[in-house]
Amino acid sequence: DIVMTQSPDSLAVSLGERATIYCKSSQSLLYRSNNKNYLAWYQQKPGQPPKLLISWASTRESGVPDRFSGSGSGTDFSLTISSLQAEDVADYYCQHYYGPPLTFGGGTKVEIK
Amino acid sequence: QVQLQESGPGLVKPSQTLSLTCTVSGGSLNSGGYYWTWIRQPAGKGLEWIGRIYTSGTTNYSPSLKSRVTMSVDTSKNQFSLRLTSVTAADTAVYYCARADGDYPWGAFDIWGQGTMVTVSS
Repeated sequence: DIVMTQSPDSLAVSLGERATIYCKSSQSLLYRSNNKNYLAWYQQKPGQPPKLLISWASTRESGVPDRFSGSGSGTDFSLTISSLQAEDVADYYCQHYYGPPLTFGGGTKVEIK
Repeated sequence: QVQLQESGPGLVKPSQTLSLTCTVSGGSLNSGGYYWTWIRQPAGKGLEWIGRIYTSGTTNYSPSLKSRVTMSVDTSKNQFSLRLTSVTAADTAVYYCARADGDYPWGAFDIWGQGTMVTVSS
């Protein structure tokens, strides 16, 4: 199984400041035949299902604010919130979809400092 | 737009079978080449992929649950279902159904149900 390791476990950032979450996979998520990284980022607020923010490592979903961006390739990825807003307080998960079994990172809790 | 809604018993006794249904509204299970997925999340913990089903009936299950999981699809009712046998307290979780794009042939989960809490207890 591909192990997804997120860091940090929690992150406290001042409003308007940058927040960066890291995700490392135990094997490459880059599919050579189509040059795509099979990695997604989700945001989960209390009592709600996860919401897809980023797919293919860096493609923002429709309606997701442009302060959210994803980067990375191969085994190392990151999610950046360029200017943290109060509504961004949530848990964030990375997930690979390279092949079964699909696995998620352990999550990162983002809070306001 | 497409919405998903889970339904089923909130309480299941140990050793019995957990059965959940996900109803798709605002669109057809048959359209678009999507995979229909189950994911669970124990309280305060992370997310676990259980498996997926295509409208043809093709399935993929998590190896850790494969011996106990069966998924099925009923296109006439626009529903897909999960059965998990021989449950224990470790199966207590919020269960989500979700949709994944089948183009590549694996994709991210772009639509989720609200989730349903299932407790395993006598």
